[in-house]
Amino acid sequence: AQKVTQAQTEISVVEKEDVTLDCVYETRDTTYYLFWYKQPPSGELVFLIRRNSFDEQNEISGRYSWNFQKSTSSFNFTITASQVVDSAVYFCALSPIYNQGGKLIFGQGTELSVKP
Amino acid sequence: DSGVTQTPKHLITATGQRVTLRCSPRSGDLSVYWYQQSLDQGLQFLIHYYNGEERAKGNILERFSAQQFPDLHSELNLSSLELGDSALYFCASSVGASGKGENIQYFGAGTRLSVL
Repeated sequence: AQKVTQAQTEISVVEKEDVTLDCVYETRDTTYYLFWYKQPPSGELVFLIRRNSFDEQNEISGRYSWNFQKSTSSFNFTITASQVVDSAVYFCALSPIYNQGGKLIFGQGTELSVKP
Repeated sequence: DSGVTQTPKHLITATGQRVTLRCSPRSGDLSVYWYQQSLDQGLQFLIHYYNGEERAKGNILERFSAQQFPDLHSELNLSSLELGDSALYFCASSVGASGKGENIQYFGAGTRLSVL
């Protein structure tokens, strides 16, 4: 079975704090993709990053960074120096590569609230 | 703006009715995916079409059906609506499919369906 778990339902921080959103996944596939999406209050889903299972290098994009550890089946997302505009629900997702049409399997989401 | 267009943005209807949700994918994208987001189920994959053909089905009810037309736009038909069908329905598109998850899915703004 394939599953994504985001254990943190809600996180509240004060602006400029660093925050890490956890994501743990389960899959029997050896090749797969992992994603993070952001859903701001306006409701749309915005793509943030994709990582394939062969590449365990961490990635940094501005204030965002991602830590992929295959050994612990985790793909955590860190926001450095958070800002009010980062307030949103963040979803981690898993996609099998060779079957099931590339569907995304989403976690339940973590609602991040950044207060001024 | 993701380039994926969904209409209408909001839909209010009564139980037992039938509605059609429309999605226009990004220019050049051949794949269309439908997802349902509800409070109790989270984000769930419904169905995937690639270049007019159904590629994968998720937990889509028999009362729901979809199709992708020659111009690549897609429609999701929901019939015999129940209160529990109230949700945010997302369409996403990607360049390819072939069961390969490397294709990034870009989401539309969603259609919020309220069944009264």
